[in-house]
Amino acid sequence: QQPVQSPQAVILREGEDAVINCSSSKALYSVHWYRQKHGEAPVFLMILLKGGEQKGHEKISASFNEKKQQSSLYLTASQLSYSGTYFCGTEGSNTGKLIFGQGTTLQVKP
Amino acid sequence: GAGVSQTPSNKVTEKGKYVELRCDPISGHTALYWYRQSLGQGPEFLIYFQGTGAADDSGLPNDRFFAVRPEGSVSTLKIQRTERGDSAVYLCASSLGGGAAEAFFGQGTRLTVV
Repeated sequence: QQPVQSPQAVILREGEDAVINCSSSKALYSVHWYRQKHGEAPVFLMILLKGGEQKGHEKISASFNEKKQQSSLYLTASQLSYSGTYFCGTEGSNTGKLIFGQGTTLQVKP
Repeated sequence: GAGVSQTPSNKVTEKGKYVELRCDPISGHTALYWYRQSLGQGPEFLIYFQGTGAADDSGLPNDRFFAVRPEGSVSTLKIQRTERGDSAVYLCASSLGGGAAEAFFGQGTRLTVV
């Protein structure tokens, strides 16, 4: 039931774009995206809900295909600060309980 | 407080001992979640409280694990007869409750069972 993230790792140069995908085998109520830097707590980025509503940061965008139970996170014009591990968390019902993927490690180089 | 606070930040214990991990959520947050994260993995759901009651404890691995939140604020995760496989970072998160609510994570407690 754990969502599957791809790719597992990405290396970028500053200014390049990246897409991280999250796919679930279950029907979803929402998808949450978090970024975690080494030794730190996960930090909230975005929530995508059934029906198309989004809550999150202006500089990061994402999509949610309810029929396919897939979400993608779009990182444009990447900065060094974007480096970290990105997790999607899927919510099957309206409880806030999240099932996280295994993570995608993003490294942005100067 | 300003954020979710977890204590201790590090705990080393001997196999077979009992440990308690504490989580102090953001004031006013009714929902509280415990997760466990092993190296290189995503957080793994353990238990979720809405107020004082455990709304979903389906992620607790076995009956050695127990959590309480007696007054609807601070929560304690209790692990009996610890095993080396319990070693991980235990994360606590809180939110205003319900679905699609931003969850704020604490820094975690790194538990090492030797």
